[in-house]
Amino acid sequence: EPEVTQTPSHQVTQMGQEVILRCVPISNHLYFYWYRQILGQKVEFLVSFYNNEISEKSEIFDDQFSVERPDGSNFTLKIRSTKLEDSAMYFCASLHSGANVLTFGAGSRLTVL
Amino acid sequence: DQQVKQNSPSLSVQEGRISILNCDYTNSMFDYFLWYKKYPAEGPTFLISISSIKDKNEDGRFTVFLNKSAKHLSLHIVPSQPGDSAVYFCAASGTRGGSNYKLTFGKGTLLTVNP
Repeated sequence: EPEVTQTPSHQVTQMGQEVILRCVPISNHLYFYWYRQILGQKVEFLVSFYNNEISEKSEIFDDQFSVERPDGSNFTLKIRSTKLEDSAMYFCASLHSGANVLTFGAGSRLTVL
Repeated sequence: DQQVKQNSPSLSVQEGRISILNCDYTNSMFDYFLWYKKYPAEGPTFLISISSIKDKNEDGRFTVFLNKSAKHLSLHIVPSQPGDSAVYFCAASGTRGGSNYKLTFGKGTLLTVNP
């Protein structure tokens, strides 16, 4: 069964460092998402992406965050200067055109020290 | 702003009995509801969904009930099995597909099914 793959599974970084989280969505999906889950809290929407541009972003997705689909297969989330409060599980998801069910990756755990 | 609320952080049931997980929502624009299941170290996986034009959807041991007037939905698992032990997330959406589609999640309920 097709799946969304995410790398790395776990990244530890120092505060202020840049981090790039990578995702390979399902190949025939057109809509891409990043969500995050801080430990013990709900899964929160960060950003949606379609046709090489951001469709919608949440208040969390400030100027420190950016997304890119550099080569037609990868979908990346960059955090320019990480803060302690960025520590969370980051989930990538993708959606087929006309569908309503997001398929999620296994997540990337980011720990900011 | 909790638009989707799961007020029970955890639920414990015996194998073979019914598990009932509850979810409330506040946004009357939501018209599509989903349940996802999440095991540790994995991403959420889709379980079952229901459109606002229905009040029940069944798939094997899983049934979702929707009460629009009460803005309440529930997931019934019967009979419960130890492999059902996971965190269950309720999610909702107000648009159908397309570039504006997104899901709003509740905090999740940890279900433990005891053998």
